[in-house]
Amino acid sequence: ILNVEQSPQSLHVQEGDSTNFTCSFPSSNFYALHWYRWETAKSPEALFVMTLNGDEKKKGRISATLNTKEGYSYLYIKGSQPEDSATYLCAFRAAGNKLTFGGGTRVLVKP
Amino acid sequence: EAQVTQNPRYLITVTGKKLTVTCSQNMNHEYMSWYRQDPGLGLRQIYYSMNVEVTDKGDVPEGYKVSRKEKRNFPLILESPSPNQTSLYFCASSPGSTNYEQYFGPGTRLTVT
Repeated sequence: ILNVEQSPQSLHVQEGDSTNFTCSFPSSNFYALHWYRWETAKSPEALFVMTLNGDEKKKGRISATLNTKEGYSYLYIKGSQPEDSATYLCAFRAAGNKLTFGGGTRVLVKP
Repeated sequence: EAQVTQNPRYLITVTGKKLTVTCSQNMNHEYMSWYRQDPGLGLRQIYYSMNVEVTDKGDVPEGYKVSRKEKRNFPLILESPSPNQTSLYFCASSPGSTNYEQYFGPGTRLTVT
């Protein structure tokens, strides 16, 4: 089983502050890195799928970067709002079509 | 509306009683997958399917079976459920390989007593 780690496990952010957190994955046999947003009592929703080293993706106030050579991706939230409170999951694809998820970073934005 | 549906949403059953959780998608997606979510362990892939009659094991396939007889359906079968299969289960689909974003169903909460 591949090792995909997310840190921190949880963080508290004041409304209006920006934050970022990390997904670490194996640097060999890279095919794709996914980010999902998972709100309590809902299903995970896709944010980004990144496939190229150096990729940067953006959706509103949320953005992500990818470094496949060193095996990490950052997710950034700019100007956090209470509706950004969720668990953020990354998932790594190596060769084949198996997808391995990290444990998630739980973000709580305080008004 | 494009969606992935799962049934049932909630199920309490007893050890050893065979059960099936259905999953259906209306987006003509080739790839479908089952995950289980347990506290502290994140989402773990059980089985996936690249197309009709093509299935493969994920990271935790023991105790589960799947079939893909039609493109839209991907049922998860527990032949003899045990308490350690108590979990939240998600079905997901995507247009092709896992280079595409996955669309998740609403989840099925299973309790095996």
